[in-house]
Amino acid sequence: EAQVTQNPRYLITVTGKKLTVTCSQNMNHEYMSWYRQDPGLGLRQIYYSMNVEVTDKGDVPEGYKVSRKEKRNFPLILESPSPNQTSLYFCASSLKWGYGYTFGSGTRLTVV
Amino acid sequence: GDSVTQMEGPVTLSEEAFLTINCTYTATGYPSLFWYVQYPGEGLQLLLKATKADDKGSNKGFEATYRKETTSFHLEKGSVQVSDSAVYFCALSTGSSNTGKLIFGQGTTLQVKP
Repeated sequence: EAQVTQNPRYLITVTGKKLTVTCSQNMNHEYMSWYRQDPGLGLRQIYYSMNVEVTDKGDVPEGYKVSRKEKRNFPLILESPSPNQTSLYFCASSLKWGYGYTFGSGTRLTVV
Repeated sequence: GDSVTQMEGPVTLSEEAFLTINCTYTATGYPSLFWYVQYPGEGLQLLLKATKADDKGSNKGFEATYRKETTSFHLEKGSVQVSDSAVYFCALSTGSSNTGKLIFGQGTTLQVKP
């Protein structure tokens, strides 16, 4: 089944403890992207990648890192999480620009 | 900059009613337009899309037409069901391939009552 898989689905962590949210797609898509969804703020792009080793900042990149060493994987790294990073995170992939993204099921992160 | 504006919700309808959710956009160039749906506790699913002016996207009884003259992409369905209750997002793909960015509207919550 063609899909974007994120792990974990739920995560509660403490301030400052490094964490990684994994994202994998099995559709050989070029584009991958991370979004966060917050009430009243909608969906905002954190980082995106157009291909292996090509990544760039979105609208809200502060406090996050990404890497794209393989085409299928695009992990989101929070080196020192803070409570304002409590959010619902979505990974998404797209075959090409303009095709529309396929989204993962989301990761609900709580930082206390 | 590019932006998407959706009608505010929530929208509450009775089953079999006609649905319209308004969406207008501001963009440079020639964006692609999308409607996504988010069911409770789930990720976003692509509902339909249109890539150029006058294109009509359709899926599962939903339709939307890309209107360049009015910069609109309104979502319609002739007869809604309880199972259509969800949050609907209008989005555009910016006129450049360098960002891969989707710009979303705020979302419109639809509740359909039996």
